[in-house]
Parts: sequence; C-alpha cells; structure tokens
Amino acid sequence: GAVVSQHPSWVICKSGTSVKIECRSLDFQATTMFWYRQFPKQSLMLMATSNEGSKATYEQGVEKDKFLINHASLTLSTLTVTSAHPEDSSFYICSAREGGLAGEQFFGPGTRLTVL
Amino acid sequence: TQLLEQSPQFLSIQEGENLTVYCNSSSVFSSLQWYRQEPGEGPVLLVTVVTGGEVKKLKRLTFQFGDARKDSSLHITAAQPGDTGLYLCAGARGNKLVFGAGTILRVKS
Repeated sequence: GAVVSQHPSWVICKSGTSVKIECRSLDFQATTMFWYRQFPKQSLMLMATSNEGSKATYEQGVEKDKFLINHASLTLSTLTVTSAHPEDSSFYICSAREGGLAGEQFFGPGTRLTVL
Repeated sequence: TQLLEQSPQFLSIQEGENLTVYCNSSSVFSSLQWYRQEPGEGPVLLVTVVTGGEVKKLKRLTFQFGDARKDSSLHITAAQPGDTGLYLCAGARGNKLVFGAGTILRVKS
C-alpha cells in the first residue's frame, strides 16, 4: 500500500508557541489530504480537508485561524497549531488520498503534541 | 448524534474466543472500511466493503456489509493477543470518511 509519513512523530512545546506538523505522501500524489485529531481511547475526529492549491475546508467547530493548513504540493500538507495551549494537546493524524472520491485514504503514523 | 454507531465500545476476552463488532447507521454509505489502530500509531486499513451483502475474509477476520449498505460487522475467530487494539469502522460519504466511536479489544493470554 501507499505510504504516508508525518513529522515530527512527537513534539513538546510551551504554551503560546506555534507548532508545525508535516504530512507527506511518499510514493503517490495526493490530490486531497485530511487532518484528524484523536483523544486517548477515542475515535478520529476530522478537522479539515485540504486540496492541493486551494484553501482547506474546516469542519464545524474547528478554528481555521488556530489550525492553519497549507497544501502546497501534491505530496505535502502542513498543519500549524498557532499559539498552542494545553487543551490543544492531542494526537494529530493526517491521511492522503490519491485520485477522486473512490480513492482510498492512507493514514500517517500520527504526531503526539504535548503543550506545557 | 453519532452517524455511525459502533458496538461494543470495549471488549476484553480470553485467547481463543470469538467476537463480533458491529457498526450501524441509518444512512447509506458508498463503501465502508475497517481499520485497526495500535497506541501511538495511525490506523491501518484492514478491508473495504463496497457491495451490499458482501462478505470478505482476511485470515481469522470476516467482514460483512449489510444488504442496504447501512451496517457492517467484523467477526474474529479464535482471537489472539496480537489482535489487541482499537478497531474502527468508517463509512464513505462524499469526500469524507465518517468514523465510528471505535472498539477497544483486549485479548488476554
């Protein structure tokens, strides 16, 4: 199957700082990438959908100015958590899809963010 | 309201036992996927079911998609400790995947 990587795998930062997480599709071009958030022992919650070269579509309740998403190329999307606070601590997972709606989503390994 | 109701939420069984996880919805999905996730890792796709009534087998795992494409089940035969993990069902609706709440499975040796 296709491989999606995320960097960093974990990050610890101070409250008020910004953190950037990268999501890369390694062996395919991803027309669409998705960003999810997951709390311990819970399911994935979709935060936003991004298409290469266009603005991300955010789910209801997700602050677009707080979680900046950039999908600058067909193999890279970034999520920047701005002015992070302890409540932003979570497991962030991206997925990438090749092709249209019928395409399969491949998930990255996740990034554990801890805000002190 | 959860669009995809997944049950049970937690299951702790002995090695060798059988189990079934259910995923139900009042909505129709174009396809439904089952994932397994281990702590600190991303979900790994187990299977995609597309056709109503479809049954797929993956070693000791049997997946079924309901005739109306609104529900699905995952049956594990003779569970092993290596099966321990979080199992997630996800239905495809338009551009997105809608996830169930997940089932935490613990298989004790």
